[in-house]
Amino acid sequence: QVQLVQSGAAVKKPGSSVKVSCKASGDTFSNYAINWVRQAPGQGLEWMGGIMPVFRTTNYAQKFQGRVTITADDSTSTAYMELRSLRSEDTAVYYCARDEITTGPRFFDYWGPGTLVTVSS
Amino acid sequence: DIQMTQSPSSLSASVGDRVTITCRASESISSYLNWYQQKPGKAPKLLIYAASSLQGGVPSRFSGSGSGTDFTLTISSLQPEDFATYYCQQSYNSQMYSFGQGTNLEIK
Repeated sequence: QVQLVQSGAAVKKPGSSVKVSCKASGDTFSNYAINWVRQAPGQGLEWMGGIMPVFRTTNYAQKFQGRVTITADDSTSTAYMELRSLRSEDTAVYYCARDEITTGPRFFDYWGPGTLVTVSS
Repeated sequence: DIQMTQSPSSLSASVGDRVTITCRASESISSYLNWYQQKPGKAPKLLIYAASSLQGGVPSRFSGSGSGTDFTLTISSLQPEDFATYYCQQSYNSQMYSFGQGTNLEIK
């Protein structure tokens, strides 16, 4: 069955970077985009950006432009999200979620379990 | 960017109640509207896509409607497992997705 497996929790210092991975299995990696959504403690869902590995294209929310990079490795069906210049407000659970690349309606049908990133001095 | 606004932000209801949550988009998004359910400590779960299509495995007490800018999620008869937070999401602009702020559904 489809699974998205994310890397483990991380504790980072302000100003540093974090790279979270998301390994997909159970379906054809190239048929899907991988998106990154974060959720700060007690807050709502915030879309950060996504990648379509088959086209090598990325899109980022304006809020994170210049501070986030999303990449993918087809050979391992793994997507990565790197966030730089971390600050305390970046403390959140980071989810990956897939959506099928189609001309029809798009939606996030499978999600990873989330990776808690804590930014603290 | 397309802004999504949900109402109410929180809601108290009882088992068996009929509940409606609304979502408004800042511009027309046709029927490109999805609903998710999230329980504490868990990833969101897709309930409804394309405004009114029920995702496989989701109970039929959940339904969605609307098009353009105004959408609703209805739970026809609340069950204990339905108490959670619900989010709408627009996928009209798939290069810039956005979510509503969430509706916390609590037990009365």
